[in-house]
Amino acid sequence: GQQVMQIPQYQHVQEGEDFTTYCNSSTTLSNIQWYKQRPGGHPVFLIQLVKSGEVKKQKRLTFQFGEAKKNSSLHITATQTTDVGTYFCAGLLSGGYNKLIFGAGTRLAVHP
Amino acid sequence: GEEVAQTPKHLVRGEGQKAKLYCAPIKGHSYVFWYQQVLKNEFKFLISFQNENVFDETGMPKERFSAKCLPNSPCSLEIQATKLEDSAVYFCASSQSGNTEAFFGQGTRLTVV
Repeated sequence: GQQVMQIPQYQHVQEGEDFTTYCNSSTTLSNIQWYKQRPGGHPVFLIQLVKSGEVKKQKRLTFQFGEAKKNSSLHITATQTTDVGTYFCAGLLSGGYNKLIFGAGTRLAVHP
Repeated sequence: GEEVAQTPKHLVRGEGQKAKLYCAPIKGHSYVFWYQQVLKNEFKFLISFQNENVFDETGMPKERFSAKCLPNSPCSLEIQATKLEDSAVYFCASSQSGNTEAFFGQGTRLTVV
């Protein structure tokens, strides 16, 4: 079946260090979305990437979508304690399926 | 409203009992999705609706799970004869066109004892 793999499962960084999480899909995606979920909370939409090779920035966050539209990454520069949470990528399948396939998430812990 | 409203927040059921969860999507959103999040944080897709029509139900364990989105009523997800492994947080999400950002509700935590 369709899968979106996400690594690492867990990342522990010191405040100020950078952080990257990677997603890889077994099939070509229509778009990829990124969500953040705080402990005990619900997923909150961060961004959507649609075009092949697209790069988007939100302050310290940089999102990339691969040329083949099968992989994506989220990079956080100079992490802060407010970045703590689990980051999920979610791929929307091509062909009008309108179903988001979530990666397993990367849990980020930031120590002051 | 401007947020997806899920009720109840918590639900405890004895094994074999029925559980019913509700979701009011954001007004104007045509698509509703149900996801199950278990302890390992993984999101399992259950079902999606386009308005009141089932769009994709490939994730639903059909023998015990059913869902509806009727006009002018909250959407619902019903589990007949709950099992221990149904314990999870069930999230509902809505989106305007199905391929744009999904807005998630706060979730319903179901505990089957």
